[in-house]
Amino acid sequence: SQQGEEDPQALSIQEGENATMNCSYKTSINNLQWYRQNSGRGLVHLILIRSNEREKHSGRLRVTLDTSKKSSSLLITASRAADTASYFCATDATGTSYDKVIFGPGTSLSVIP
Amino acid sequence: DVKVTQSSRYLVKRTGEKVFLECVQDMDHENMFWYRQDPGLGLRLIYFSYDVKMKEKGDIPEGYSVSREKKERFSLILESASTNQTSMYLCASSFPPEGSSYNSPLHFGNGTRLTVT
Repeated sequence: SQQGEEDPQALSIQEGENATMNCSYKTSINNLQWYRQNSGRGLVHLILIRSNEREKHSGRLRVTLDTSKKSSSLLITASRAADTASYFCATDATGTSYDKVIFGPGTSLSVIP
Repeated sequence: DVKVTQSSRYLVKRTGEKVFLECVQDMDHENMFWYRQDPGLGLRLIYFSYDVKMKEKGDIPEGYSVSREKKERFSLILESASTNQTSMYLCASSFPPEGSSYNSPLHFGNGTRLTVT
């Protein structure tokens, strides 16, 4: 079963609005990452937050992590049409035979100009 | 900037063919990964490698093999292509964080969209 699941599956907003995407996961993690994927391209790393961190910022991005609820959120402020993409959270799976990153199915964000 | 290059953007192959997908990274990264991406399923790990000539199975290795003869190159091989292997294939690399085996950011290529007919 998937470690991380994003919510909502799809989101459509007007340019200038804020976009919030959520990620829930099942087991303990060391860190959580967010990636963006433009249509038909590879994924681009956005931000990594460690399990002992609660909030992290990068430009217009704000990521929070609540390990007690096993959830994370990605906030994009003042969205632009260029933010239209799919967004994935990825968690490591501790306790398995090897360390690996597991991706959720993603949130598809459409920013309407 | 790290550059991960996948040899083909689009590939069409026939059922039963042996298919090679090539991936090259230019940043001397130790770790390399092959994922496939399907709608609604996200990314699933096929194989990964932490060093030259080393390989480990991911979640869905059946029907695939890999080769890592040089540090910068990681090849995915479909031994006998089948229609259920039609997918987007993504290669990634990463450098292990200092003092830890845990994850550092993955750098992805642009993907190869493989169609098996």
